[in-house]
Amino acid sequence: GENVEQHPSTLSVQEGDSAVIKCTYSDSASNYFPWYKQELGKGPQLIIDIRSNVGEKKDQRIAVTLNKTAKHFSLHITETQPEDSAVYFCAATPPTGGFKTIFGAGTRLFVKA
Amino acid sequence: NAGVTQTPKFQVLKTGQSMTLQCAQDMNHEYMSWYRQDPGMGLRLIHYSVGAGITDQGEVPNGYNVSRSTTEDFPLRLLSAAPSQTSVYFCASSYDGFDPLNTEAFFGQGTRLTVV
Repeated sequence: GENVEQHPSTLSVQEGDSAVIKCTYSDSASNYFPWYKQELGKGPQLIIDIRSNVGEKKDQRIAVTLNKTAKHFSLHITETQPEDSAVYFCAATPPTGGFKTIFGAGTRLFVKA
Repeated sequence: NAGVTQTPKFQVLKTGQSMTLQCAQDMNHEYMSWYRQDPGMGLRLIHYSVGAGITDQGEVPNGYNVSRSTTEDFPLRLLSAAPSQTSVYFCASSYDGFDPLNTEAFFGQGTRLTVV
C-alpha cells in the first residue's frame, strides 16, 4: 500500500522568509496530492492540491511542485506571515479512490514575527 | 451550510466504558470517514462509508464500530474504551469517495478523547 513520508516535522522561520515542506510517496499509481492546513483547535482544511499530470501549481503565496519520477512533492510558502503558523499535512491518493488516501505525519510551522 | 459537525468536542472516559462520537454533514456528500490523529503519526483512517448502508474498515478499525443509516450521519462507536484510544478524532466528508479528483475532504473540528 501507499506510504507517505513528510519532512521536517517542525519548521521555524522568520516572518517574510520562505518555508518548504517535502513529502515522498511510495505508490507510483497515486495521482492526486492534496495539502491540508490545520490551525489550532480546528480540523484540517485543503489549501492546495496537484494532479499527477501537472508539475507545478501556484495560488498566491503558496505553490506545490510534483516530481513523479522521484515520487516526491513539496509545498512552498513565500513571504510567510504569522497566520501561516499551523500544522501542514501532505497526502497521496491512488486512482482507486479517496478512501485510500494516505496522509503524512504533519509539519508544525512556526512563523516568528 | 454548517459543513461537518462533530460532537462532543471533548470527552473523558474510563477504561471499559462505551460511547458514540457523532458526525453530521449537510453537503449531501456520499463519502464519509473517521480518522484518528496521534502525535507524529498524522491522520489514520479508522472506518469509511461510500454511501448510506455501506461501510468498510480503514487502517486502524479495531475497537470501533460505525453505521451509516442516512447520507447525513456517520457515528463512531467505541465499544470498550482503552487508554490506547486516547486521541483526537476527526470526521470528514467528500463529494465522491471513488474519483480521486473529487476527494477534497471537509473535516469537522475534532473530538479530543481521553481514556483513563
